[in-house]
Amino acid sequence: DAGVTQSPTHLIKTRGQQVTLRCSPKSGHDTVSWYQQALGQGPQFIFQYYEEEERQRGNFPDRFSGHQFPNYSSELNVNALLLGDSALYLCASSFLPLGAGANVLTFGAGSRLTVL
Amino acid sequence: AQKITQTQPGMFVQEKEAVTLDCTYDTSDPSYGLFWYKQPSSGEMIFLIYQGSYDQQNATEGRYSLNFQKARKSANLVISASQLGDSAMYFCAMREGSNQGGKLIFGQGTELSVKP
Repeated sequence: DAGVTQSPTHLIKTRGQQVTLRCSPKSGHDTVSWYQQALGQGPQFIFQYYEEEERQRGNFPDRFSGHQFPNYSSELNVNALLLGDSALYLCASSFLPLGAGANVLTFGAGSRLTVL
Repeated sequence: AQKITQTQPGMFVQEKEAVTLDCTYDTSDPSYGLFWYKQPSSGEMIFLIYQGSYDQQNATEGRYSLNFQKARKSANLVISASQLGDSAMYFCAMREGSNQGGKLIFGQGTELSVKP
């Protein structure tokens, strides 16, 4: 049973460019959340998608946007890249209808973005 | 103010010994959940253990146990019989209130090194 898969694993971009990261949730999961993890820091919540809509959003600018497809997979888009966007981007999936306590997030291995 | 505080940037433990990783949290919501995740160098966050704010007993999962002291707002992770494979970053995280979604608030992490 495949867990959460993310692509690409590594990528390098230059300032001002745009990037798209992709995530396939664990089988049976319908909710996808995205996190940014800067070097030496804990992950920070970007947003969550459920039923193809953004349901929750963290403190990130509008340059960060996303999408969820009917098969529950998701994309994270970042426009006008800044040097500070260099980080590990983690995707996590869960099954929303479960009670909060049982709603354990399953994470992928992440996409490491370097902005030069 | 920090909602999750992990005061130990790095810890060392001898193989087969027990180790405690500290976590304190701050919330005014009576309903919350506390999680511990392990992050090896591969980057994937691995769920270890969960404690709900209304749970009467401390959570245990194999060699992992959570020392939950609600009045002190602490949720320390205890790893018994440490193994070399336990060397990794460990993150404490919290989900607040009725939020059943993907928003977890993470601490800065503790790097655990297990010595042979």
